Amino acid sequence: QITLKESGPTLVKPTQTLTLTCTLSGFSLTSSGAGVGWIRQPPGKALEWLALIYWDDDKRYSSSLKNRLTITKDISKNQVVLTMTNMDPVDTATYYCTHTVVIMKDAFDIWGQGTTVIVSS
Amino acid sequence: QSALTQPASVSGSPGQSITISCTGTSSHVATYNFVSWYQQYPGKAPKLIIYGVTNRPSGVSNRFSGSKSGDTASLTISGLQAEDEADYYCSSSTSGGTLDVLFGGGTKVTVL
Repeated sequence: QITLKESGPTLVKPTQTLTLTCTLSGFSLTSSGAGVGWIRQPPGKALEWLALIYWDDDKRYSSSLKNRLTITKDISKNQVVLTMTNMDPVDTATYYCTHTVVIMKDAFDIWGQGTTVIVSS
Repeated sequence: QSALTQPASVSGSPGQSITISCTGTSSHVATYNFVSWYQQYPGKAPKLIIYGVTNRPSGVSNRFSGSKSGDTASLTISGLQAEDEADYYCSSSTSGGTLDVLFGGGTKVTVL
């Protein structure tokens, strides 16, 4: 059974860097075709895709946020880490970690429970 | 404003069929079969219900079906049930080297 669990700070100050960790269970990013994505959702608003990393270390970023985002994987810990720099109150959202495989054409079939991040001084 | 346009709300009576549209451009929906749909209940994580325009993941009811015509993708829910009341989001990927994954603004489905 594949599960993903997000962890990170609940409260971040403006201009700080956010670091979120996604711990994977039931699969590994050494498996051909596997990928992990990050998606966020501000309160009452729509979903927004942030970044994606694949088993072969191919990485994709939202074109509107790419200057602020870095996604990496730690195979030994079975984790994926997302960092977002220069946080702003508009970045307040629930951040989801998701599973995908290449054959699903950028669809995310398994989602973590999400972690809430509030940006406030 | 989302690059993928969905109606804000759609409603229907139990047993009816409803269709949610998702309009994009030639840069994504029209050209690529990278369209997916998600169902989200309040306070819960989204659930994938359609991928690759028409494919249902294992365990998803066959009352949900997807299609595409030109730059518009559609999700049809047949035999509408009270449990279908939720928010629905479409998604598509872009071309042109950016390969962004876009989401629509979401559609609230109300079962009357």
